[in-house]
Amino acid sequence: EADIYQTPRYLVIGTGKKITLECSQTMGHDKMYWYQQDPGMELHLIHYSYGVNSTEKGDLSSESTVSRIRTEHFPLTLESARPSHTSQYLCASSDHGMRAGELFFGEGSRLTVL
Amino acid sequence: AQSVTQLGSHVSVSEGALVLLRCNYSSSVPPYLFWYVQYPNQGLQLLLKYTSAATLVKGINGFEAEFKKSETSFHLTKPSAHMSDAAEYFCAVSAAGGFKTIFGAGTRLFVKA
Repeated sequence: EADIYQTPRYLVIGTGKKITLECSQTMGHDKMYWYQQDPGMELHLIHYSYGVNSTEKGDLSSESTVSRIRTEHFPLTLESARPSHTSQYLCASSDHGMRAGELFFGEGSRLTVL
Repeated sequence: AQSVTQLGSHVSVSEGALVLLRCNYSSSVPPYLFWYVQYPNQGLQLLLKYTSAATLVKGINGFEAEFKKSETSFHLTKPSAHMSDAAEYFCAVSAAGGFKTIFGAGTRLFVKA
């Protein structure tokens, strides 16, 4: 069982609100990721991090931002939420060596913006 | 560049029947290939992965997949479906040694009693 946690699991908010989705892992993994998932669609990488103080934008453009101040913590922030941000957001981490490439996922944060 | 195509957004089988979920990939470099499973309201969980060792890879819950370079395929099979196998399955590819993983659109497996 993966030790990666996301909060909140579900969030319903109004347009214009600022939100932060939390993601923490206890496995000591250097690499962390945020994926956006919509029904019937592939997962899209929106942010990733190689390690502390490293963040990069993924393949799908996103208005969200991330930070990586501690190895175990990789929060995602939306400064002003809009209905188009309604989606499921999945956080993941990966190791190196024998388990390189394997992604460990959290249970997801389902965001609804009214 | 890499991409993944999963053939069939929905697959329905009877309990005890063979499960076959199809995946074709495109990669300009030697790939790592993965199958993940997602149960309702949960994150994805790794089923199995191919990393250029044996072409037939065995995973958890009785699933296996065969890497066929000539067909650029990595289909997932299970000899006998169980009700608990009902879930969404994602095929994924990354460059060997790389870390950006590209996912297919997923195939939802239904298992009929």
